Amino acid sequence: AQSVTQLDSHVSVSEGTPVLLRCNYSSSYSPSLFWYVQHPNKGLQLLLKYTSAATLVKGINGFEAEFKKSETSFHLTKPSAHMSDAAEYFCVVSGANAGGTSYGKLTFGQGTILTVHP
Amino acid sequence: NAGVTQTPKFQVLKTGQSMTLQCAQDMNHEYMSWYRQDPGMGLRLIHYSVGAGITDQGEVPNGYNVSRSTTEDFPLRLLSAAPSQTSVYFCASSYSAPRSSYNSPLHFGNGTRLTVT
Repeated sequence: AQSVTQLDSHVSVSEGTPVLLRCNYSSSYSPSLFWYVQHPNKGLQLLLKYTSAATLVKGINGFEAEFKKSETSFHLTKPSAHMSDAAEYFCVVSGANAGGTSYGKLTFGQGTILTVHP
Repeated sequence: NAGVTQTPKFQVLKTGQSMTLQCAQDMNHEYMSWYRQDPGMGLRLIHYSVGAGITDQGEVPNGYNVSRSTTEDFPLRLLSAAPSQTSVYFCASSYSAPRSSYNSPLHFGNGTRLTVT
């Protein structure tokens, strides 16, 4: 079984200040983890993914996330927020089953709405 | 390059009516899936397909049917619409099915907003 918890439903920052969106996961085996972004009235777009290569993952638009196994976390950060970052962000986990592979299913967090103030 | 195309963008149904949400992708992706998005609940998987002729259920399959007769198309059918099916529906595809060893990114359509009265 696997699950994802996004710890904040809403985050509000000022333009130019750092962004932190928190995500904790639960997975019986080694997970793959993703962050997706959804702008209003649009589909989701991949920001970055972790698949057991490097624990610090860099994505598009200056975002990055660090996989911390001991804390079961995959928090998303950006050093300086831009107005165009305002959107909803989803943390996603794809876990392995007992045979060492998962197949066909991803689990989405509940989403974090990021507001950026001028 | 169209990517993932969903039609219609908006739909209003009366309880008990049936309809089909269309999804087509032009990237020759093996994997296609349908999600519904409800406030505060993230996205929940309805059905998915790992290739033509192969479909399987996700978390919330009741009230929905799918088929995959071609690689490109993956329609979602509501057999008898209920108010609980009011939601935003997303179709997503990827080169291969999600696996722990390799995960190609999902490509999403722009969604279909469905209201059932």
